[in-house]
Amino acid sequence: TQLLEQSPQFLSIQEGENLTVYCNSSSVFSSLQWYRQEPGEGPVLLVTVVTGGEVKKLKRLTFQFGDARKDSSLHITAAQPGDTGLYLCAGRGPGSARQLTFGSGTQLTVLP
Amino acid sequence: NAGVTQTPKFQVLKTGQSMTLQCAQDMNHNSMYWYRQDPGMGLRLIYYSASEGTTDKGEVPNGYNVSRLNKREFSLRLESAAPSQTSVYFCASQPWGRAGANVLTFGAGSRLTVL
Repeated sequence: TQLLEQSPQFLSIQEGENLTVYCNSSSVFSSLQWYRQEPGEGPVLLVTVVTGGEVKKLKRLTFQFGDARKDSSLHITAAQPGDTGLYLCAGRGPGSARQLTFGSGTQLTVLP
Repeated sequence: NAGVTQTPKFQVLKTGQSMTLQCAQDMNHNSMYWYRQDPGMGLRLIYYSASEGTTDKGEVPNGYNVSRLNKREFSLRLESAAPSQTSVYFCASQPWGRAGANVLTFGAGSRLTVL
């Protein structure tokens, strides 16, 4: 079983601050996805990264896939209360058919 | 609205009772999944169906059975519920395609409590 560790588990910050969430593994992934989940709803995909070293930006969110494809980070600039939610990383191993391995999640709270 | 529909949203069971969680998608996706989400443990795969007519065990299949009724519907059954099965259950679907491009679409979840 491939494991994904996310840190921190909980994060509470003031509006306007920057933050970074980390997703680490000892295994190599062919691709990695980041999801955001709000209370009472299912996770919603934010981004997929496929190439080692890849950086993708989605407005104030920057996603990076590690060169060795074992880790990823999510950086949020000038966080807003609307960014509050559970952030989940999910990796697809090389050779795996359709299954994703999910990290344990980072609960982000942005205070106004 | 197009997407993944799960029923029921909430259910309380007594230990030993049985029940079936229903899931339907209207996006013509080939693959469907059942996950459970517990605090601090992210999402864990219970069973999946890569295509109509096939089902396979995931990471935590014990105590569960599934049926891929047709391309749209994938149900999860608890034959004899246990308190350890108290969780939030999510159904998801995914189209066929390159692994790196596939996107899971999740339902809103079914919260199950076993007393």
